[in-house]
Amino acid sequence: GQNIDQPTEMTATEGAIVQINCTYQTSGFNGLFWYQQHAGEAPTFLSYNVLDGLEEKGRFSSFLSRSKGYSYLLLKELQMKDSASYLCAVSGSNYQLIWGAGTKLIIKP
Amino acid sequence: NAGVTQTPKFRILKIGQSMTLQCTQDMNHNYMYWYRQDPGMGLKLIYYSVGAGITDKGEVPNGYNVSRSTTEDFPLRLELAAPSQTSVYFCASSTEVTGNTIYFGEGSWLTVV
Repeated sequence: GQNIDQPTEMTATEGAIVQINCTYQTSGFNGLFWYQQHAGEAPTFLSYNVLDGLEEKGRFSSFLSRSKGYSYLLLKELQMKDSASYLCAVSGSNYQLIWGAGTKLIIKP
Repeated sequence: NAGVTQTPKFRILKIGQSMTLQCTQDMNHNYMYWYRQDPGMGLKLIYYSVGAGITDKGEVPNGYNVSRSTTEDFPLRLELAAPSQTSVYFCASSTEVTGNTIYFGEGSWLTVV
């Protein structure tokens, strides 16, 4: 079967760094996405990885290891507005996205 | 800056009623999708379309129907609503599937009682 696993909830402190992990098992791989979703809102795109390594975009970075079926999203200098759910999604062999359940990130002052 | 627009935002249906969720996009995207998201769960694909006149089932199509008569519009029809269809529904579109971002509508909160 196909599945994506990520922690249900994480808590971090404002100004700190947090790493959200995602492991996946899919039939085929055509890239991994990270989306941010604030409560009551639609998901918005954060990053896309298709090759191994780290992609940095401002305070957010995303890492991919295809051989390990593993990715992480790294958030630096956390701000209160970063409180949201973070969704990991994999584009499989038929190019349809398979979504994880999301990690709810709680930022404390 | 309309992007993907879906209506209604909120709706309460009685069991057995039918309704249509409307979705339109102004970005000339070929690919369009309907997802549902249950509390604490990931997005589940209901139906998708790769172009006008072409639709296909996703992961959870039972109880739903779609049509794609134009590039812009992709309505989702619920027939004989059931409590299990209580969910948040997101319409989305993209230019291509590989590596490109999917743009989401604001969501439609549907409750079946």
